[in-house]
Amino acid sequence: NAGVTQTPKFRVLKTGQSMTLLCAQDMNHEYMYWYRQDPGMGLRLIHYSVGEGTTAKGEVPDGYNVSRLKKQNFLLGLESAAPSQTSVYFCASSYGTASQETQYFGPGTRLLVL
Amino acid sequence: AQKVTQAQTEISVVEKEDVTLDCVYETRDTTYYLFWYKQPPSGELVFLIRRNSFDEQNEISGRYSWNFQKSTSSFNFTITASQVVDSAVYFCALSTISGGYNKLIFGAGTRLAVHP
Repeated sequence: NAGVTQTPKFRVLKTGQSMTLLCAQDMNHEYMYWYRQDPGMGLRLIHYSVGEGTTAKGEVPDGYNVSRLKKQNFLLGLESAAPSQTSVYFCASSYGTASQETQYFGPGTRLLVL
Repeated sequence: AQKVTQAQTEISVVEKEDVTLDCVYETRDTTYYLFWYKQPPSGELVFLIRRNSFDEQNEISGRYSWNFQKSTSSFNFTITASQVVDSAVYFCALSTISGGYNKLIFGAGTRLAVHP
């Protein structure tokens, strides 16, 4: 079982470049999330999706865009990367949105913006 | 305000020692869920346990045990007879419904180093 996968695993960008992170899940989960992890701050929610074709802002959405064209995929885009976006990005998915639903995480993407 | 505090930034123990990781949470919700995740050096986040606010029974899974006390808003995690493979960052998280979605609030994490 692949669970939640993320590509790429690691990327270096120059300031101003753009890129897209891909998240895929094979658990038929309805809900998907993008988090960033920074030292000493735990994980913070960037954007989330409650279903195919829908997205919404989380806690720290500025500088990011997302799309959910297919149920199993959730894309995170950086249009013009900044050094402050250097972080580890995690995708997660859950079956539902009730507070008891466990979120399952991908392996993470390490992004360095120079 | 909803918040999770893991006051221990780093803990270092010698193999076979018992170690407890503290987690204190704040929420006004009466229904909520608490989670622990493990992040080993390889970087992925591994789900360990989920607990709901109505069930204060302690849980044991092998060498792992969890103590949930509503009176002190704590959900502590104990590893008995620690092993080197337990070395990881451990995150406590609080789940509530906020703004129509399942909001997972993470603590800052506790880095556990188990030395041979």
